[in-house]
Amino acid sequence: GDSVTQTEGLVTLTEGLPVMLNCTYQTIYSNPFLFWYVQHLNESPRLLLKSFTDNKRTEHQGFHATLHKSSSSFHLQKSSAQLSDSALYYCALRGGTGGYKVVFGSGTRLLVSP
Amino acid sequence: NAGVIQTPRHKVTGKGQEATLWCEPISGHSAVFWYRQTIVQGLEFLTYFRNQAPIDDSGMPKERFSAQMPNQSHSTLKIQSTQPQDSAVYLCASSPPDRGDTLYFGEGSRLIVV
Repeated sequence: GDSVTQTEGLVTLTEGLPVMLNCTYQTIYSNPFLFWYVQHLNESPRLLLKSFTDNKRTEHQGFHATLHKSSSSFHLQKSSAQLSDSALYYCALRGGTGGYKVVFGSGTRLLVSP
Repeated sequence: NAGVIQTPRHKVTGKGQEATLWCEPISGHSAVFWYRQTIVQGLEFLTYFRNQAPIDDSGMPKERFSAQMPNQSHSTLKIQSTQPQDSAVYLCASSPPDRGDTLYFGEGSRLIVV
């Protein structure tokens, strides 16, 4: 079945440094949707950005990601981390026909310090 | 527009007792998902309804977990004979029908089994 892998459980950064959170996926569908959700403390996950188009950069709130079907990757990046970026980040996959189930990775906790 | 409503927000139950969690999706959303969130496992998919019909329950522990969606405004997740390992935050999410649509999460029901 579909699966999403986030290799880092915890990423710690100093404010101002660049952010990169890794996401790779597996699916039999040729046209999956990939999502990044962010969950701040005591809140529910909410959408950060999403993409369907191969090799097209998607941006929102200073973050960006590019879906690369050749490497089955959808890494999340930001040029300069802010304290308010500290949160739990989930990569998610929604496959093709049929069920449209949404599968999440295990999440990456980002901690940004002054 | 009200978001996804989940009740109860917190529930403490004794081992072996039954727990029922309720979810009211956003009006007009045809897809309803249930996830279990723990620190160790992250967001685990449990089950998914579309237009009230069960589509995929591959994440449900078969013996004690069941979910229903008797009408378009209401879904329940029932756990029989609760065990300490069932302690988690149970999140309900709804979305419009298209594959690229965002999931909107409720605030979750925190279940503690003692």
